[in-house]
Amino acid sequence: DVKVTQSSRYLVKRTGEKVFLECVQDMDHENMFWYRQDPGLGLRLIYFSYDVKMKEKGDIPEGYSVSREKKERFSLILESASTNQTSMYLCASSSGTPGKTQYFGPGTRLLVL
Amino acid sequence: QKEVEQNSGPLSVPEGAIASLNCTYSDRGSQSFFWYRQYSGKSPELIMSIYSNGDKEDGRFTAQLNKASQYVSLLIRDSQPSDSATYLCAVKSAGGSYIPTFGRGTSLIVHP
Repeated sequence: DVKVTQSSRYLVKRTGEKVFLECVQDMDHENMFWYRQDPGLGLRLIYFSYDVKMKEKGDIPEGYSVSREKKERFSLILESASTNQTSMYLCASSSGTPGKTQYFGPGTRLLVL
Repeated sequence: QKEVEQNSGPLSVPEGAIASLNCTYSDRGSQSFFWYRQYSGKSPELIMSIYSNGDKEDGRFTAQLNKASQYVSLLIRDSQPSDSATYLCAVKSAGGSYIPTFGRGTSLIVHP
């Protein structure tokens, strides 16, 4: 079974803090993704990576950066957290074979005060 | 802009009934189709994938794909209260695309 884990289930941070969200997958997947999910807005792609040290912007990259130093690990960084970044953050991974599905981690619910 | 449309619902069905969830997509080049279930406060989990026209059955779930009409549906037979969740449709294009396009989901409520 594919397993995608995220470093925290719940996180409370203050405005202006630097926030690190980590994601680890154990299926040797090439692709990894970060989404945020907000009521009424669905899933929105922040960044994705198709290989180590490679990254591509998604639909809403502003205010975020990512790091992928190892194949199994993909980190999302909020350089200076703001209240509008309060959200559910979901990491996903998928095989490099086109057409294969994504598997999601349990999510991190971030509250920025 | 690739779009995937779902009725937000809620769709309310009685226990034991068939729940029918529908999804339409705009990209005619789409090749891979997925249904995810998401319980409140949880992450999406894959329940079905379908790649060819026709029906695909897995237990109480049947996915139906019609590429000519650009829709994919999910039927849940003998619906149970535990099926109450939001169901997300996701579509991937051909040509090596790694990124699916998600619909916003349909909320399903199965009442006893």
